[in-house]
Amino acid sequence: DVVMTQSPLSLSVTLGQPASISCRSSQSLVYSDGNTYLHWFQQRPGQSPRRLIYKVSNRDSGVPDRFSGSGSGTDFTLKISRVEAEDVGVYYCMQGTHWPLYTFGQGTKLEIK
Amino acid sequence: QVQLVQSGGGLVKPGGSLRLSCAASGFTFSDHYMSWIRQAPGKGLEWVSYISNSGSNIYYADSVKGRFTISRDNAKNSLFLQMNSLRAEDTAVYYCARGVGADLGYWGQGTLVTVSS
Repeated sequence: DVVMTQSPLSLSVTLGQPASISCRSSQSLVYSDGNTYLHWFQQRPGQSPRRLIYKVSNRDSGVPDRFSGSGSGTDFTLKISRVEAEDVGVYYCMQGTHWPLYTFGQGTKLEIK
Repeated sequence: QVQLVQSGGGLVKPGGSLRLSCAASGFTFSDHYMSWIRQAPGKGLEWVSYISNSGSNIYYADSVKGRFTISRDNAKNSLFLQMNSLRAEDTAVYYCARGVGADLGYWGQGTLVTVSS
């Protein structure tokens, strides 16, 4: 199974400051079709998860441009350029390359300092 | 717009059964794989099961294999999860979601399953 390791597991950030979350996979996430199926999800308190970023760096519709994704192979990063109060929650990376068992990272809890 | 509306869930005794449902709208249901993903209290996300658009390809996590059955009714745009022989460790919020590894762009609202005597 592919293991997804996120760091840090918790993050306390001042409003307006940047935040960065790392996600590393135990195997390359490049699929045979050339795509890299690494996605990022946000889960606000009491809500369902919501996909923010798909295939490493593509923002979903309605996602503010302060969110960005980058990386390749086994190392990936989610960045928030200026944290806002509504960004509080838990962020998960997920690999959709290696089947049948797709896997999530442990989650990173973002709070406001 | 895409909607996934879940029903079912609740409190059940160990060894009991429950059936979860997920009603889809706003997209061509029969074109998409569908998934069930769960989240134990205070924990992260765990894939439970997924089913291909035709229903011919099914995956179960080892933790539920032999006890849970995923199914779908494309005529009624509905996804189901039959859960038997429930255990305390199955206590979680269960989410249905559209797609599998390349998708998961839409999730249901979640339904709480509590297994307790």
